[in-house]
Amino acid sequence: DTGVSQDPRHKITKRGQNVTFRCDPISEHNRLYWYRQTLGQGPEFLTYFQNEAQLEKSRLLSDRFSAERPKGSFSTLEIQRTEQGDSAMYLCASSLGVAGANVLTFGAGSRLTVL
Amino acid sequence: AQTVTQSQPEMSVQEAETVTLSCTYDTSESDYYLFWYKQPPSRQMILVIRQEAYKQQNATENRFSVNFQKAAKSFSLKISDSQLGDAAMYFCAYRSLTDSNYQLIWGAGTKLIIKP
Repeated sequence: DTGVSQDPRHKITKRGQNVTFRCDPISEHNRLYWYRQTLGQGPEFLTYFQNEAQLEKSRLLSDRFSAERPKGSFSTLEIQRTEQGDSAMYLCASSLGVAGANVLTFGAGSRLTVL
Repeated sequence: AQTVTQSQPEMSVQEAETVTLSCTYDTSESDYYLFWYKQPPSRQMILVIRQEAYKQQNATENRFSVNFQKAAKSFSLKISDSQLGDAAMYFCAYRSLTDSNYQLIWGAGTKLIIKP
């Protein structure tokens, strides 16, 4: 297992286009989180899954954003009708989801630039 | 609601010297976790060190140690013998034990520059 993988690493798109990011978590991790990070800021929580169930969504997540985790394995985050304000790094993290520290393992992120 | 504050947007240190990064937090809870994560440029965020609030002993991981002052709600990170590879953004994070979603509350980060 090579850790959490995210694809693509970089995406440049024009305003109004749709984009999709993929995250492959560590295989035995049942929790998967999506965060958004802008330059010089800490991660902002977007949503998370326990297995295939999406258990929480941030108020930041407008209806243009949708995330799925079919079969509790990989996850996708889709942004429809992108806006310049969506430009950010999108981070995925996974964890075992057990009581205790629940340490997150992060992917390298997918950087989105909306022109 | 809990908050995490990192008051130093940027710090610099000479290679091989020691540097301390500050973090304060606000909570009404008595049991929680605190974390320091490191994010090197264009690389993934990795866990540096964690501290359980019920443990009085400060956590240590090789050259990294924390000074956990529960009453003062302070959680600073000390890096000894700084190396060029320590250059990164450092984020302090808080996790409530009562939140079953295991959400992390993040500080804004401190950029650490290592001078050769």
